[in-house]
Amino acid sequence: DTEVTQTPKHLVMGMTNKKSLKCEQHMGHRAMYWYKQKAKKPPELMFVYSYEKLSINESVPSRFSPECPNSSLLNLHLHALQPEDSALYLCASSQESGLNQPQHFGDGTRLSIL
Amino acid sequence: AQTVTQSQPEMSVQEAETVTLSCTYDTSESDYYLFWYKQPPSRQMILVIRQEAYKQQNATENRFSVNFQKAAKSFSLKISDSQLGDAAMYFCAYSRNKLVFGAGTILRVKS
Repeated sequence: DTEVTQTPKHLVMGMTNKKSLKCEQHMGHRAMYWYKQKAKKPPELMFVYSYEKLSINESVPSRFSPECPNSSLLNLHLHALQPEDSALYLCASSQESGLNQPQHFGDGTRLSIL
Repeated sequence: AQTVTQSQPEMSVQEAETVTLSCTYDTSESDYYLFWYKQPPSRQMILVIRQEAYKQQNATENRFSVNFQKAAKSFSLKISDSQLGDAAMYFCAYSRNKLVFGAGTILRVKS
């Protein structure tokens, strides 16, 4: 069983739609992450939140908008996405954002853009 | 920038046998961590083992062990007594202020 819960598991949306991906953890972790993963490729870091503040944005296009309402929740708001944005989106959390902290991953949301 | 290289796109092992997955990395830092993650078809990334760069002793977790050669910047994963459930994509990762993943190695386990 995963300790990081992501919803929905699958999402199909048009390029003009607005949708949100959700991630939740109850391990008391203070760092949360969004990754994008294409098929048979490694995850690519998108955003890092530390103590509910955005600490890293890996030059992600503005059509992706992260939000951290509280220490347990992380959202990724999607608007006007492109077909190349179709991918598996993984959320992860760790105790802190330090270098020695193993990250715990969710099962991901598989996103398809029509 | 740090890079992580996994030179084996695919590996196969017979059930109950031993297999070693290779990983090399490039960094100018002396303090960092290294990880092996497993991603089965179910998609979830699962931490297999981690190694602290300042520790010379190789990490072990049950059937999984690493051969960490800091000077050579090498971090290979050995899986002993392979099981069907070990079949997955394995990612080597370097961590200083963020995780940097290698391209991954697909491990197939034959019964």
